[in-house]
Formats: sequence, structure tokens, C-alpha cells
Amino acid sequence: DIQMTQSPSSLSASVGDRVTITCRASQGISNSLAWYQQKPGKAPKLLLYAASRLESGVPSRFSGSGSGTDYTLTISSLQPEDFATYYCQQYYSTPRWTFGQGTKVEIK
Amino acid sequence: EVQLVESGGGLIQPGGSLRLSCAASGFTVSSNYMSWVRQAPGKGLEWVSVIYSGGSTYYADSVKGRFTISRDNSKNTLYLQMNSLRAEDTAVYYCARGRDLIVVDYWGQGTLVTVSS
Repeated sequence: DIQMTQSPSSLSASVGDRVTITCRASQGISNSLAWYQQKPGKAPKLLLYAASRLESGVPSRFSGSGSGTDYTLTISSLQPEDFATYYCQQYYSTPRWTFGQGTKVEIK
Repeated sequence: EVQLVESGGGLIQPGGSLRLSCAASGFTVSSNYMSWVRQAPGKGLEWVSVIYSGGSTYYADSVKGRFTISRDNSKNTLYLQMNSLRAEDTAVYYCARGRDLIVVDYWGQGTLVTVSS
């Protein structure tokens, strides 16, 4: 199975900060990567797919980049509603999706 | 409007069985890739199983041979039959619609399964 490793596991940031989360795959996944946001007690929400394609309705402050094994999610200016846990997901080995362990973004 | 509503979770003893249901509305289950994804308390997401529109099924190694995914087209409902349950199966189980077999575009609210004596 392809292993996905996110870093950091948690971070503290202030409203307005630029935040970057990294996801590394155990092998190349050819941009077959999605990012989700999950708030406590709620189901995840799709933010981006194909590494950099923004899902409809998602604010443009979210962006993604990367290639090969290394990918990043960037929030350009953190908003109060962005405090949540973020997960990456590879679908290169579909149907056997694997997720990163999550990055919790907390208020500083 | 697309909606997924899970039911069937609860407290079950190790070795027991449980069947989860996911009632869908706003789309046709049999025309989509439908998955179950679980999340242990305080942990990350784990893909469990998928059923393709054509009927093919796949399972994570951790549940293969114990869990069975199925659907009832007349009821537009997805199921997960879980047998020989273990403590490590304790999790919130989400029903999920896959878009083009790559991402989940709709999730249910989740149903909690607790395996404990």
C-alpha cells in the first residue's frame, strides 16, 4: 500500500497567516492527490483534487501544488472558519485509497 | 439535493456482527462508485470498501473476509455487513460517494460502531 505522511501533525497559527501543510507519498503518485478539511464531529469536505484543482465552491485562498511524491496545501490568509484538521488522500492506487494521518490547524 | 444517511451503528461485543445501512437520495447508488470510510476515535481516515457501478467490490486488507459491501437498487441503499468484529473496528463509519473513482464528493454524517465487551 502507498503510505501518506503529513507534516506537521499540528500547527498553531493566527488569522491572516499563510499556512502550508505537506504530504509525502511512499512512491510517486502522479498528482493523484486530494485534500479534505474536517471539523470536529463533521464529515470531511473535499477542497482540492488532482493536486491543484480547486473543488467548486471552495475559496481561492486554498491552493495545492506538488509533483512526484511531495505535495503541499497552502492557505494564503487563514480565516476563522479554516481552523480544522486537514487530510491528504492518494488515489493513484485506486480503489485502495490511503489518507495521511491529518494536520490539525489550531488558533494561536 | 444529494444526501447520504447512515444507520445501524451501536455497541457490539467482540466476535459479533452488525449491518450498516446508507440511504441515498438525490442520485442513484447503482450508477455511482460507493465506498465506506472509517475513522477510529481521535484518529485519521481509513478506506474500508468500495462497490463499483458494475458491481465489483474491493476491501481493505484489514477487513477482507469479514466485511461485505452490497447495495439494494430498489431501495437506493448501500450496506456494509460486518462480521467477526474486533476492538480495532471501533470507529465512525462514513458512507461516501466516489466521483470518478478518485475522490469523495459527498459524505454521510457517519455512524459510530463500538466493539467492546
